[in-house]
Amino acid sequence: DAGVTQSPTHLIKTRGQQVTLRCSPKSGHDTVSWYQQALGQGPQFIFQYYEEEERQRGNFPDRFSGHQFPNYSSELNVNALLLGDSALYLCASSYGWTGEDYEQYFGPGTRLTVT
Amino acid sequence: GEDVEQSLFLSVREGDSSVINCTYTDSSSTYLYWYKQEPGAGLQLLTYIFSNMDMKQDQRLTVLLNKKDKHLSLRIADTQTGDSAIYFCAESQNRDDKIIFGKGTRLHILP
Repeated sequence: DAGVTQSPTHLIKTRGQQVTLRCSPKSGHDTVSWYQQALGQGPQFIFQYYEEEERQRGNFPDRFSGHQFPNYSSELNVNALLLGDSALYLCASSYGWTGEDYEQYFGPGTRLTVT
Repeated sequence: GEDVEQSLFLSVREGDSSVINCTYTDSSSTYLYWYKQEPGAGLQLLTYIFSNMDMKQDQRLTVLLNKKDKHLSLRIADTQTGDSAIYFCAESQNRDDKIIFGKGTRLHILP
C-alpha cells in the first residue's frame, strides 16, 4: 500500500495562473481533506471531501476549489494565483471514526511557489 | 473563536522527558490531537484524546488534558534523537470535523 500520494512534489507558477494539485488517498479511505501550510505555520484547513461532495470548508476564498472522484482521489484547484498562495499543500485521507478508533494519514505535500 | 496556542521551541537532553504544552480557546473542542512533522516528511498523527478523558498513554507518549483550563500536554519519555521534529497540537469540535492546528513546537534534542 503506497499510503497517501500527492503530485506534483514541487510546482512553480506565476501570479494570475491556475494550478491543479492531486491526491490519492490510502486504500480503504473515503475522506480527503486539504490543508495549506505556510512556512513556519501550522496547517490551515481548506476543505474536506466525502462521497464526492464538499462536506466542510475553511476560510479560503472561492479561488480555491476541489473535486473528489469515484475512486476517492481528489484535486485541489487554485485560480488567479497570488504570491500569498505560496505554501506546502497537504492532503489527508481518513475513513472517519470507528467507535473510538481514528485513522488519518497525510501525504508528503506539494510545495507551490508563486512568483 | 477557535485558536490553539503552543510555545515555539523546546530543548531537551537525550534520555530526559519532553513535555510540550498547548492551550486551546474553544470550549466545545471535543477531540484533541498531537501530530509530528519531521523535515521533508508529511504530518503524522501521533495520538488523540477525547474531551471526556484526563489522560491517555501510548508507549512513550502520555497525553494529559485539563479541560477546565483548556490545557493539553504531550509527554515523551526517554527522549531520543529520532524525536527531533515539530509537534503540532490540534483540535476539532466533532467527528470528521475540520481540524484546527497550532503553530507547532520545535523539539530540539541535546546530546
